[in-house]
Amino acid sequence: NAGVTQTPKFQVLKTGQSMTLQCAQDMNHEYMSWYRQDPGMGLRLIHYSVGAGITDQGEVPNGYNVSRSTTEDFPLRLLSAAPSQTSVYFCASNPGRVPAANEKLFFGSGTQLSVL
Amino acid sequence: GQQVMQIPQYQHVQEGEDFTTYCNSSTTLSNIQWYKQRPGGHPVFLIQLVKSGEVKKQKRLTFQFGEAKKNSSLHITATQTTDVGTYFCAGRDSNYQLIWGAGTKLIIKP
Repeated sequence: NAGVTQTPKFQVLKTGQSMTLQCAQDMNHEYMSWYRQDPGMGLRLIHYSVGAGITDQGEVPNGYNVSRSTTEDFPLRLLSAAPSQTSVYFCASNPGRVPAANEKLFFGSGTQLSVL
Repeated sequence: GQQVMQIPQYQHVQEGEDFTTYCNSSTTLSNIQWYKQRPGGHPVFLIQLVKSGEVKKQKRLTFQFGEAKKNSSLHITATQTTDVGTYFCAGRDSNYQLIWGAGTKLIIKP
């Protein structure tokens, strides 16, 4: 099993450009999520999904869109990149439909995004 | 909103010294998880504590969950170079969402 796979690993964008960060998992996990990590701020939840066709906003959703057409894939779209979106992005999943009490998150290896 | 405060932000230790990081929540947590992130890597699950006053050990690592389920700590005895990284706590609130601490970076002095 590959686990949670994120692409690309690195990306540089110009302000105003759009792009999609890809996330795929092969563990048949229902719950998938996107986090951004900034120095000194820990992990902040952007969007999450509890199953195909269902998405919801996290703590910092502005400027990002998601969709969940299949169980395996959960892409994150930046609509019009801004320098404030420079960050490391992590995709994470766990088995249950709802993040249940006894389940841990499995993380992808991350995407380092710079917006100039 | 709910917050989990984690201190210190950094801790520099000599190899062989102990390391401790603390997490405090503004509200009661359902449980708390601990993750380790190596430099340049991604967070990896270490352990979960569920019961009030729970203490769990993994070799040199000791994890505690407070009696009121509002605080937790991770203590590493006799640090080694392999312990270097950032340690995060993440508490589950009543809606089962994870609330993350900002992390404590363990740095081994040369």
